[in-house]
Amino acid sequence: DVKVTQSSRYLVKRTGEKVFLECVQDMDHENMFWYRQDPGLGLRLIYFSYDVKMKEKGDIPEGYSVSREKKERFSLILESASTNQTSMYLCASGDSGTLKPSYEQYFGPGTRLTVT
Amino acid sequence: QKEVEQNSGPLSVPEGAIASLNCTYSDRGSQSFFWYRQYSGKSPELIMFIYSNGDKEDGRFTAQLNKASQYVSLLIRDSQPSDSATYLCAVTYNFNKFYFGSGTKLNVKP
Repeated sequence: DVKVTQSSRYLVKRTGEKVFLECVQDMDHENMFWYRQDPGLGLRLIYFSYDVKMKEKGDIPEGYSVSREKKERFSLILESASTNQTSMYLCASGDSGTLKPSYEQYFGPGTRLTVT
Repeated sequence: QKEVEQNSGPLSVPEGAIASLNCTYSDRGSQSFFWYRQYSGKSPELIMFIYSNGDKEDGRFTAQLNKASQYVSLLIRDSQPSDSATYLCAVTYNFNKFYFGSGTKLNVKP
């Protein structure tokens, strides 16, 4: 079975702190994604990566950065946490979808981040 | 901005009935369409995908795609209380990047 793990299930941080969320997948997937999920807004893509050291902005990248130094690991960084970044953060991984329209994303369990 | 629209619900159906969930999307270039189920407090899990016009059946689930009208639907036959969850529609435009709707909450009443 595909396994996507995230470093924490729950996290409480103070405004202005630097926050690291880590995601690890064990299926040798090319693609990895970071989403945030808020009530009524669904899943919104923050960043994704299609290869080591490669990254592409999603729809809401402001206030976030990412790092992918190894294929299995994708980190989301909040440089200076703010209260409006309180949310559920979901990591996902999947094969490259090129020429493979049936591919899916596998999600980690999520990290509920509260910024006070 | 790629728009994926779903009625937030809740959609309530009695046990054993057919639940019909709908999703519309804005970009005619959409390529593949996915339905995910998300239980409260859990992460999404894939139910099924479709990328050709028409119907696709998998057990009690049927996905229907109409690219001309830009909608995709999910039918759940013989609904069970265990089907109570939020159902997320997702579309892809380049086979790599997903866009999700905000989800429809389904309640199946015993």
